[in-house]
Amino acid sequence: GAGVSQTPSNKVTEKGKYVELRCDPISGHTALYWYRQSLGQGPEFLIYFQGTGAADDSGLPNDRFFAVRPEGSVSTLKIQRTERGDSAVYLCASSDRTGSYGYTFGSGTRLTVV
Amino acid sequence: QQQVKQSPQSLIVQKGGISIINCAYENTAFDYFPWYQQFPGKGPALLIAIRPDVSEKKEGRFTISFNKSAKQFSLHIMDSQPGDSATYFCAARRSGAGSYQLTFGKGTKLSVIP
Repeated sequence: GAGVSQTPSNKVTEKGKYVELRCDPISGHTALYWYRQSLGQGPEFLIYFQGTGAADDSGLPNDRFFAVRPEGSVSTLKIQRTERGDSAVYLCASSDRTGSYGYTFGSGTRLTVV
Repeated sequence: QQQVKQSPQSLIVQKGGISIINCAYENTAFDYFPWYQQFPGKGPALLIAIRPDVSEKKEGRFTISFNKSAKQFSLHIMDSQPGDSATYFCAARRSGAGSYQLTFGKGTKLSVIP
């Protein structure tokens, strides 16, 4: 596609529920990143994929968070047993080669845990 | 530990004026310093970036000034326009194999008034 697509754009869930957030990167981009942006803050790194593998997952806050990219294109961020503190905008970005400086971000998924 | 400190938190500038946003970093391993522009409801978009081997980079009305010894860099927006009203984030990337994550500042909300 023309840009990075994230669905849903908004997600409201109850505390304790499981959610999945989807990212469709720019076609052909091999590198994919997930960031989390809390209100009034800058994005914080969560995980980086090169192809199908998670090359750096050092930003995942705990084991409730998990991400996959099974075919090297679409990625899904999964959050188990959601907590109110997980409420944030989850941003996905992709780039055209490993280490490429120019990320393209999607518009994000706004997750609200009530 | 906040590795990239950004100021001011908010900024109001008259149309035609100069907007200046400052950032300071601590980690000398950072090797790439981009600025992102974010409009409400959208993901951050790359505006301009600099490597530490140059002291200044200009693209149109946007200029980055970089002071390696002071570990500081700044964004100057000349002839500021109402359409420039957005939140601006500085960021830094650490060099090293497999490390492509960006560390962002907390952002500056710029308002350009007619």
